[in-house]
Order: sequence, then C-alpha cells, then structure tokens
Amino acid sequence: GDSVTQMEGPVTLSEEAFLTINCTYTATGYPSLFWYVQYPGEGLQLLLKATKADDKGSNKGFEATYRKETTSFHLEKGSVQVSDSAVYFCALSEGTGNQFYFGTGTSLTVIP
Amino acid sequence: DTGVSQNPRHKITKRGQNVTFRCDPISEHNRLYWYRQTLGQGPEFLTYFQNEAQLEKSRLLSDRFSAERPKGSFSTLEIQRTEQGDSAMYLCASSLVETGRHEQYFGPGTRLTVT
Repeated sequence: GDSVTQMEGPVTLSEEAFLTINCTYTATGYPSLFWYVQYPGEGLQLLLKATKADDKGSNKGFEATYRKETTSFHLEKGSVQVSDSAVYFCALSEGTGNQFYFGTGTSLTVIP
Repeated sequence: DTGVSQNPRHKITKRGQNVTFRCDPISEHNRLYWYRQTLGQGPEFLTYFQNEAQLEKSRLLSDRFSAERPKGSFSTLEIQRTEQGDSAMYLCASSLVETGRHEQYFGPGTRLTVT
C-alpha cells in the first residue's frame, strides 16, 4: 500500500543554517506530494506541493522537488529562522485525493 | 472565510461516555475528511465525505465511531463508549475537488482525553 517515510527527528539547527528533511514514498500510481507544517498549538498548514515528476514546489523559502526515479520529495531551506521551528509532515495523495498518507513528522527547532 | 473550524478544542471525558465533535469546513468545499493523530505520529485517515455521502471509511474506524454530514456542510464525529485508547487529536480537513487540486485544509483539531 501507499506510505511515506520521513527522516526521524528531532532536528536542532542554528539560525541561518541549511535545512534538509528527507522524505521517501511508496505508491502504486502517480501521487501528488505535499509538505505540511504544524506550529505549536495549531493545525496543519499546507507548505508546498508538487503534482507530477520533476515539479518543484516552493513557499516561504522552502523547496522540494518531486523525484520519481528516487521516489523522494526532500524538503530544503537555505537559511532557517527561529520562526521555522515546527513539526513538518510529508504526505502523498493518490488519484482523486480521497485520502492522504502522512509521514510521522519531523520536529525542527531553530536556535538563535 | 476563516478556514476550517472545529469544536470543542479540548474534551475530557470518562471511559464509557459518549462524545461528539463538530467540524465546519471551508464553505465552498465539497469534501470533508476526519483524521486521528496521536503523539509523535502523523495524521491517520478515518473517513471522508463528498457532499453528504460518506464514501470511504478506514479499518481504524471501529463500530463505536460514527460520522455524519447531513446537509453536506458541517460534520459530526461521535465516539460511543469511549476507551482510553481513543485519546488523541481528531483533525478535520476539507477540500474542493477539481482536476489537479488535491490539497486539504485542516482545522485546529479537537484534543480528546479519556480518563
């Protein structure tokens, strides 16, 4: 069945450091891929998405490229800020988007 | 539109009691989803509606769980005879089904604690 595997956390970085959070997926078809972010005490917010191979999603300085050959969708940011501290979830959706499959989440803490 | 809203935000109940949660989706969205999230895990799919029809239910959704969306707008999730294992965050999400757009928008969740 469909699944998402995320890099385990927690991750602690200094401000302005480079961030990579790995995500790989297993799917039977051609899924859409997403990164969601959950700030403390809040619901999940869509960060970025990609709907087909080689698409790059980007938002707020974060980027992720849909790599079909490696079944990956790694999240990157060149220079993290304290305000980026949150839990990041990778997710996939097959076909008509009936349901999402989420990874277990990666907690990021950015220290000044 | 202020997004997806859920009520209550927190619920503490004793084992064996029934609880009901409400979700109000984004008004023009025709799909509504329920998920359960436990500590340190990602959300797990429970069920979804398209308009008022419940189209899919997860194996996670035991007979004690029931969801409705009577007029295709808000939805309720009821848990009967709660157990301690039901303690979790219950998330609602909505989406507008159109070609190529699958993103779901999530509410803040209802945190259930069963004592």
